[in-house]
Amino acid sequence: SQQGEEDPQALSIQEGENATMNCSYKTSINNLQWYRQNSGRGLVHLILIRSNEREKHSGRLRVTLDTSKKSSSLLITASRAADTASYFCATEGAQKLVFGQGTRLTINP
Amino acid sequence: GAVVSQHPSWVICKSGTSVKIECRSLDFQATTMFWYRQFPKQSLMLMATSNEGSKATYEQGVEKDKFLINHASLTLSTLTVTSAHPEDSSFYICSAAGGLDSPLHFGNGTRLTVT
Repeated sequence: SQQGEEDPQALSIQEGENATMNCSYKTSINNLQWYRQNSGRGLVHLILIRSNEREKHSGRLRVTLDTSKKSSSLLITASRAADTASYFCATEGAQKLVFGQGTRLTINP
Repeated sequence: GAVVSQHPSWVICKSGTSVKIECRSLDFQATTMFWYRQFPKQSLMLMATSNEGSKATYEQGVEKDKFLINHASLTLSTLTVTSAHPEDSSFYICSAAGGLDSPLHFGNGTRLTVT
């Protein structure tokens, strides 16, 4: 299965701290994407990093991709209570997007 | 930005009845839409890929006669859960691709409860 694995499964930090989530996958990919899901809602796309890119930034988000290790990380800096959500990595290959298990992030005020 | 509308947001039905869920791309044409299923606190599992004007491609283990998919236009795909049973209770989410190598746009999901 190409499904990614994320760690940690759950992360609880204080507001203002940085949050780092990791994702590993098994097969070759075209790109890797990170999504956010608030409880009971659909997913919102955060950032896409292509297989030939190593790092990408978007506001308080920083994503890295290491294709040799088949892993990616999502860093959220200066976290806010509103960042509380589940975060999923998704790998695209063979015209399908396969999601990891997700990290449930809780930001404590 | 691109918007995908999914309806209904929640539905409760009796065992044995069928339920139809609609997924519309509001401001772009989607030749391909995807249907996912999500159990509580778990990841999204791809059920099928819906292709406009052709038959859907189902993932292994997904019953195509149970989950009927129709993608009759470039802006609408429907998922019909036929003869629903309590074990079909789940959160169903559709998404649409805006183009090659572009992110998916998701609907807000449908919470199905079968009693």
